[in-house]
Amino acid sequence: NAGVTQTPKFRILKIGQSMTLQCTQDMNHNYMYWYRQDPGMGLKLIYYSVGAGITDKGEVPNGYNVSRSTTEDFPLRLELAAPSQTSVYFCASRETGELFFGEGSRLTVL
Amino acid sequence: KNEVEQSPQNLTAQEGEFITINCSYSVGISALHWLQQHPGGGIVSLFMLSSGKKKHGRLIATINIQEKHSSLHITASHPRDSAVYICAVRDTGNQFYFGTGTSLTVIP
Repeated sequence: NAGVTQTPKFRILKIGQSMTLQCTQDMNHNYMYWYRQDPGMGLKLIYYSVGAGITDKGEVPNGYNVSRSTTEDFPLRLELAAPSQTSVYFCASRETGELFFGEGSRLTVL
Repeated sequence: KNEVEQSPQNLTAQEGEFITINCSYSVGISALHWLQQHPGGGIVSLFMLSSGKKKHGRLIATINIQEKHSSLHITASHPRDSAVYICAVRDTGNQFYFGTGTSLTVIP
C-alpha cells in the first residue's frame, strides 16, 4: 500500500517555465489537497477536491491550476513560474478521518 | 490572528525528559490532528481526536473542547523524537487550519 505518492521530490525552474507536480493515492480517498509550506508559516491550502471532477480554490490559488479526472490523481500545474512559488509542496488525502501526506516536492524558481 | 496557535515555537530537551506541546484554536472543530515532520521529510499523522485523550506508545494527546485547547505529551523523550510537531484542526466546514509547528530537539 503506497499511500500518497508525489513526484518529483526536487525541481529547479526558471522564471516563466511551467511544470506539473504529480500526486497519486491508492486508498480510494475522495478528499485530496495541495498545500504549500513556507519557512515559519503553517501549511497553506492551494486547491482541494472532494471527488473526481470537483475542485475548488483554497487560500492561495493564484498561479496554480488543478484537475481531478480520476479518484486517484490530483496533479498541480504551475503556469509561468515566479520566485514567489519557491516552496515545499505537499499533497494530502483523506476519507472520513486521518490525513495522509505525500513526501513533499521541493520547488525552487530562479 | 491565526486560527491555530502553538507553543512553544522551539523546544530543547534532554533525553528522558517529559515534554508538552500546546495548541489553542479559535474555530469550531470537527477534529484536531497532531502531525510530525522530520527534517527534510514528509508529514505523518500521529493522532486525530475530537474528545478526551489518546495514547500511542510514549505519545499522549489530550483535548479540551470547552477550552479549545489540546496538548501533545511525550514521555521519556528520545533523540529520534526530534522533529517538528504540527497541530491542525478541521472545522465544521471540513476546512483544515494548521499551526506553524513546534520544533523539538532532544539532546542525548
